[in-house]
Amino acid sequence: EAQVTQNPRYLITVTGKKLTVTCSQNMNHEYMSWYRQDPGLGLRQIYYSMNVEVTDKGDVPEGYKVSRKEKRNFPLILESPSPNQTSLYFCASSLSGGGGEAFFGQGTRLTVV
Amino acid sequence: QQQVKQSPQSLIVQKGGISIINCAYENTAFDYFPWYQQFPGKGPALLIAIRPDVSEKKEGRFTISFNKSAKQFSLHIMDSQPGDSATYFCAARRGAAGNKLTFGGGTRVLVKP
Repeated sequence: EAQVTQNPRYLITVTGKKLTVTCSQNMNHEYMSWYRQDPGLGLRQIYYSMNVEVTDKGDVPEGYKVSRKEKRNFPLILESPSPNQTSLYFCASSLSGGGGEAFFGQGTRLTVV
Repeated sequence: QQQVKQSPQSLIVQKGGISIINCAYENTAFDYFPWYQQFPGKGPALLIAIRPDVSEKKEGRFTISFNKSAKQFSLHIMDSQPGDSATYFCAARRGAAGNKLTFGGGTRVLVKP
């Protein structure tokens, strides 16, 4: 089954404690991205990757890092989380080249206290 | 500045009625306009999409109307069913920018039996 898998689904952490949210896809997609979803703002792109070792900033990259060492994995790293990063996070993947739909993971609800 | 504006934020419709969600965009470089459906606890899933050289696309009870000159597009859900209760997001993609999606703020639809 084609899918994007995120872990964990729920996470409560304290300010400043580094965390990583993992994302893995089994569709051999080149393009992967991270979004955060906040009420009334829709989904906003944090970072994206066009392929292995190629990453770039999206619209709201501050406070986040990513890496793409393997095609299937695209972890999101919060080096020093702050309360304004409390949000619902989604990883997505798609074929590159401007075609095809984006497949989303089930989301990670992060709370930073 | 939100490049894709979506309205209304929420709507309630009776079973069998028509749900209409509207979106407006600013960037004429957008070349693909998908709609996503999101159920609670799930990631967004592609519902239907249209390209700007087409004025209307219909898939079952779901229809996209596209007005290129007005830079507006809308989703019509005919014969709305309780199972259609979800949050709907319009989005726009600029092919020249890879697969980045710019989302509207979302519309929560509740279909009453």
